[in-house]
Amino acid sequence: GAVVSQHPSRVICKSGTSVKIECRSLDFQATTMFWYRQFPKQSLMLMATSNEGSKATYEQGVEKDKFLINHASLTLSTLTVTSAHPEDSSFYICSARRAGGPHEQYFGPGTRLTVT
Amino acid sequence: DAKTTQPTSMDCAEGRAANLPCNHSTISGNEYVYWYRQIHSQGPQYIIHGLKNNETNEMASLIITEDRKSSTLILPHATLRDTAVYYCIVVVWGNKLVFGAGTILRVKS
Repeated sequence: GAVVSQHPSRVICKSGTSVKIECRSLDFQATTMFWYRQFPKQSLMLMATSNEGSKATYEQGVEKDKFLINHASLTLSTLTVTSAHPEDSSFYICSARRAGGPHEQYFGPGTRLTVT
Repeated sequence: DAKTTQPTSMDCAEGRAANLPCNHSTISGNEYVYWYRQIHSQGPQYIIHGLKNNETNEMASLIITEDRKSSTLILPHATLRDTAVYYCIVVVWGNKLVFGAGTILRVKS
């Protein structure tokens, strides 16, 4: 159990366009989901924390108007990269924490975004 | 949350035990030790966590020193598929996970 999926797994978009990434908890309800970004040969960097039904909390230095997060249900969170630029090219990973259950976070497989 | 220190990389022979150390000398009494790993180009995978006592599950064992200032993750019989970056994270229950650089474990045949 505790499976988290992401869609798409890979996406290539042109500079200036927006891209939406979905994160779903498949077999559990998640009150809290997290979004991370990882550049090549670097560790994961937390971007934001989202709680179902409320606004996301962004980490310092992360532009909330550029990275729109919506956590509309207990099983779905979306990250929209608006007006993407080549420097936004990265590996985006979501994770989910089970509602009322163990504390550990379960991670999705990641989405590779390439902006040309 | 307390900072952790891990070796940059380690090698281990296939079939042998892999012992990954983590130093967290500034850990507080309410902070847990969590271990995750990340295989190349995948999302991190939860391995194990503990507070004071040693813990064991189907993947690994976690040994925490009595003063809680360091811990060791043990993979009892490492396989090639265990090659990954291993992250030791110290965090208060319910707080967000912050990843450091981790240890690159290379299992060699």
